[in-house]
Amino acid sequence: GQNIDQPTEMTATEGAIVQINCTYQTSGFNGLFWYQQHAGEAPTFLSYNVLDGLEEKGRFSSFLSRSKGYSYLLLKELQMKDSASYLCAVRDSNYQLIWGAGTKLIIKP
Amino acid sequence: GAVVSQHPSRVICKSGTSVKIECRSLDFQATTMFWYRQFPKQSLMLMATSNEGSKATYEQGVEKDKFLINHASLTLSTLTVTSAHPEDSSFYICSARDLAGDSGEQFFGPGTRLTVL
Repeated sequence: GQNIDQPTEMTATEGAIVQINCTYQTSGFNGLFWYQQHAGEAPTFLSYNVLDGLEEKGRFSSFLSRSKGYSYLLLKELQMKDSASYLCAVRDSNYQLIWGAGTKLIIKP
Repeated sequence: GAVVSQHPSRVICKSGTSVKIECRSLDFQATTMFWYRQFPKQSLMLMATSNEGSKATYEQGVEKDKFLINHASLTLSTLTVTSAHPEDSSFYICSARDLAGDSGEQFFGPGTRLTVL
């Protein structure tokens, strides 16, 4: 079956760095997405990886290793507004998005 | 970036009534739109994939006669929840895929919170 694993919840301190991991097992691979979702709102796109390596976009970076079925989202200089759920999603061979359950990130002052 | 609108943003209805939710891609054409449902503290669950001009593809366990989907144009898809019941209360989110983009990224609408009394 298809499976996306990510931690349920993480806590970090304002100004610090946090890494949210995602491992996946899917039928085929056509890219991995990270989305941010604040409570009661729709997800917003953060990053897209299709080749191995690190993609940097401001305070957020995303890494992919296809051979390991592994990705992480790195958030630097954490701000209180970064408190949200972070969803990892993999696009399979049918170009369907398979969603992880999301990681709730709690930022403390 | 691409914008997807959804209407209404919030609806409260009585049990047994039908509710229509519209999803529009405002500045791009979307041959494919997706409908998701999200219960509190749970992840997104794909309900159906909507293709312009053809029948929607429903995920296992989703009743196609209860959740009617119409994708009449490249910028509009509608989801109708027929004979809604309290257990249908949820956050319904649509997304549209921009095929012109490099990643075929999905852009999400703001969601519709449905409460069935």
